[in-house]
Amino acid sequence: DAGVIQSPRHEVTEMGQEVTLRCKPISGHDYLFWYRQTMMRGLELLIYFNNNVPIDDSGMPEDRFSAKMPNASFSTLKIQPSEPRDSAVYFCASSLVPVMNTEAFFGQGTRLTVV
Amino acid sequence: GDSVTQMEGPVTLSEEAFLTINCTYTATGYPSLFWYVQYPGEGLQLLLKATKADDKGSNKGFEATYRKETTSFHLEKGSVQVSDSAVYFCALRSTSNDYKLSFGAGTTVTVRA
Repeated sequence: DAGVIQSPRHEVTEMGQEVTLRCKPISGHDYLFWYRQTMMRGLELLIYFNNNVPIDDSGMPEDRFSAKMPNASFSTLKIQPSEPRDSAVYFCASSLVPVMNTEAFFGQGTRLTVV
Repeated sequence: GDSVTQMEGPVTLSEEAFLTINCTYTATGYPSLFWYVQYPGEGLQLLLKATKADDKGSNKGFEATYRKETTSFHLEKGSVQVSDSAVYFCALRSTSNDYKLSFGAGTTVTVRA
């Protein structure tokens, strides 16, 4: 398996524009997580899905952020409108249904810069 | 709720030095514990894990023992190399938290030749 695939790897956009980040989890994995990493806040869980259903979105910072998982092999994280403070590295991760010792597998991340 | 606390960095060491990164946790029930490593410009990858008390996880010369009595999972390596320079994250997963992975803040380790 190719692992968790995220696209794009880098995104530079202007303030106010819509940004869509994409994730393809590992085939057969039932859980999908979106994280944001910044120097100030470290690694933050934004939202996670189980079998395509959002379970906990309490980490989504504002209504400008939304995430969807239309099927088991694809998820998007959208920011509309984007702001400079959204600049960060966004990671997607997936795992099998736990089974307590199941680890999550991370993608390479999308580095977002909002200017 | 579940949480993980790890020692603050950054940590700077010389090659062949001994490395310890402290990690303690708060959780209801019996969580599984993990150490992840993030090399520059990359995503997180699993370094080692332990699923029950007194288990020892090990990989690439790193070790960590699940200590229920002290709620700790400290990471150790006896002789670090420059290639061990990375950010290290302690994490836990538990049934009481719907299997959500909770991460510590991360500890940046720099090893100098």
